[in-house]
Amino acid sequence: DTGVSQDPRHKITKRGQNVTFRCDPISEHNRLYWYRQTLGQGPEFLTYFQNEAQLEKSRLLSDRFSAERPKGSFSTLEIQRTEQGDSAMYLCASSPGRAAETQYFGPGTRLLVL
Amino acid sequence: QKEVEQDPGPLSVPEGAIVSLNCTYSNSAFQYFMWYRQYSRKGPELLMYTYSSGNKEDGRFTAQVDKSSKYISLFIRDSQPSDSATYLCASDRGSTLGRLYFGRGTQLTVWP
Repeated sequence: DTGVSQDPRHKITKRGQNVTFRCDPISEHNRLYWYRQTLGQGPEFLTYFQNEAQLEKSRLLSDRFSAERPKGSFSTLEIQRTEQGDSAMYLCASSPGRAAETQYFGPGTRLLVL
Repeated sequence: QKEVEQDPGPLSVPEGAIVSLNCTYSNSAFQYFMWYRQYSRKGPELLMYTYSSGNKEDGRFTAQVDKSSKYISLFIRDSQPSDSATYLCASDRGSTLGRLYFGRGTQLTVWP
């Protein structure tokens, strides 16, 4: 399967702990996106990369959130000092970069903060 | 007001029915319009996308965009129980900005 992969698929943590998620995009896709989805809502944009450059960040991405894509391949999203409001599905998507419309999503990482 | 509005349903139809799913958007700069299907606890799956106004057909699915009224539609013909999912509409400005703006999704159930 050469789709977008995410790890872990599920994460349960206690409030105040740090968590890190990984996303591996489709090979040769130079754009990578992070979204957050809560129950009953559509995905909300967090940030995106073109190669290793982080080009846009949503105001949803507070100081506790940081994302990296060090070599323009996989990306990590870290949440520090987690809060219960961080509980959500974190989705990663990638696109070839020719246009934004063809974003392909991974299965998501479901985070539960107790 | 959200950039893309979508009635969450739920919508329940019998197998074989024609399903109509709709969204409205507020940003005149939007150029690309997408429909995603999302099964429970899975990531969204791209169904189809259109550029600007017009229709696009793919098998049993037809996407329609009317930019004059800022209205996006997805029609499913001969609906099947396997079509039961949440359908998300999304738009973007077609520039290098990249982000997609999603509706909240419509939950569809097709019963046998």
